[in-house]
Amino acid sequence: GENVEQHPSTLSVQEGDSAVIKCTYSDSASNYFPWYKQELGKRPQLIIDIRSNVGEKKDQRIAVTLNKTAKHFSLHITETQPEDSAVYFCAAIALSGGYNKLIFGAGTRLAVHP
Amino acid sequence: SQTIHQWPATLVQPVGSPLSLECTVEGTSNPNLYWYRQAAGRGLQLLFYSVGIGQISSEVPQNLSASRPQDRQFILSSKKLLLSDSGFYLCAWSPQGGIGKAFFGQGTRLTVV
Repeated sequence: GENVEQHPSTLSVQEGDSAVIKCTYSDSASNYFPWYKQELGKRPQLIIDIRSNVGEKKDQRIAVTLNKTAKHFSLHITETQPEDSAVYFCAAIALSGGYNKLIFGAGTRLAVHP
Repeated sequence: SQTIHQWPATLVQPVGSPLSLECTVEGTSNPNLYWYRQAAGRGLQLLFYSVGIGQISSEVPQNLSASRPQDRQFILSSKKLLLSDSGFYLCAWSPQGGIGKAFFGQGTRLTVV
């Protein structure tokens, strides 16, 4: 079945620096890759997603890139701010019995220091 | 617009007691429904998913079960809780036939004592 690996598990940056989180997936049939942000004690919130027919998508300070050949995708946050501190999860769609399900990476705890 | 409700928000239960967590979705029909568990400081583990009434797929053998008695209702249950069942339980939905875009409920923090 689908396996999603996420690195690093923790990331500490200074305010204003960039942060990059990387994920790899195993199922070459996966075609949808969302990223979620989870603040402490709260539900994960979708922040950006990408489909396999594009290589990059950007939304203000966040961007996601996808390399289907290598089966990896990355989240890029530029000009980080303290409110970006959270746990970030990547995910990939897995096909099972003709149905789609989301498989998540283990998460990256991002700390942005003022 | 679609909304997802999950309750209770927190729960403390003794070992060996039963469990019932409920999740309902409004504003959509025939959604895919999911139960995830998140252990402290860990990732999201898919427990169950459902594509329709009475259709439940289990991802991990465990002490839990799920049921979908109505189109937009998903229930997570246990007959006898274990200490290892403690965690943050999240219900989620995604559009049927669509790809991805799962939306999460507020979560239930379960502590088994």
